[in-house]
Amino acid sequence: AQSVTQLGSHVSVSEGALVLLRCNYSSSVPPYLFWYVQYPNQGLQLLLKYTTGATLVKGINGFEAEFKKSETSFHLTKPSAHMSDAAEYFCAVSVITGANSKLTFGKGITLSVRP
Amino acid sequence: DAMVIQNPRYQVTQFGKPVTLSCSQTLNHNVMYWYQQKSSQAPKLLFHYYDKDFNNEADTPDNFQSRRPNTSFCFLDIRSPGLGDAAMYLCATSRDQWRDSYEQYFGPGTRLTVT
Repeated sequence: AQSVTQLGSHVSVSEGALVLLRCNYSSSVPPYLFWYVQYPNQGLQLLLKYTTGATLVKGINGFEAEFKKSETSFHLTKPSAHMSDAAEYFCAVSVITGANSKLTFGKGITLSVRP
Repeated sequence: DAMVIQNPRYQVTQFGKPVTLSCSQTLNHNVMYWYQQKSSQAPKLLFHYYDKDFNNEADTPDNFQSRRPNTSFCFLDIRSPGLGDAAMYLCATSRDQWRDSYEQYFGPGTRLTVT
């Protein structure tokens, strides 16, 4: 069965500092992996996704993630944090079950950005 | 712009009083999902429709029902809300489970309060 692990629940960085949010997955088949961002009282917005091909994936708002099969990881990074990046971030893996597909989410990480 | 719309954004209901949450989409997607998200937790899938085919998660309480009268609309009915049902309810869509990368597009959510 596919699953996602996001260690820790809260990350705090200074404005302008590197953002690194970790995600490890477990999957018996090649996974489709996603990062979503959620601002307070909002729905989830897709940041980026990995399906096949290039392992370094670039997303919106300057975020990128690298799929590393050997490490079963899909960590999210941004070179320079901005105050507007403060939000909840969810890593997810697509699970195929018979004729249907579902997303399995990690528990999420809250990113705080200090001035 | 094509999008997923949820109404209302905030809903207050009384303990035991039936309530219906609405979701509509202009993306013409085949699949529609309903998630429950409690504070500081990951979204939890309740059920989804692939076209008119309804797929219930095994652990979704019977108190939760859904209707999809056409491609564009999907409703979540809570027959007898309890205090534990207070949460954010997210609607999502995806285009097609076979051709796409299973990316889901989320609405802004409805915050349900039970008094």
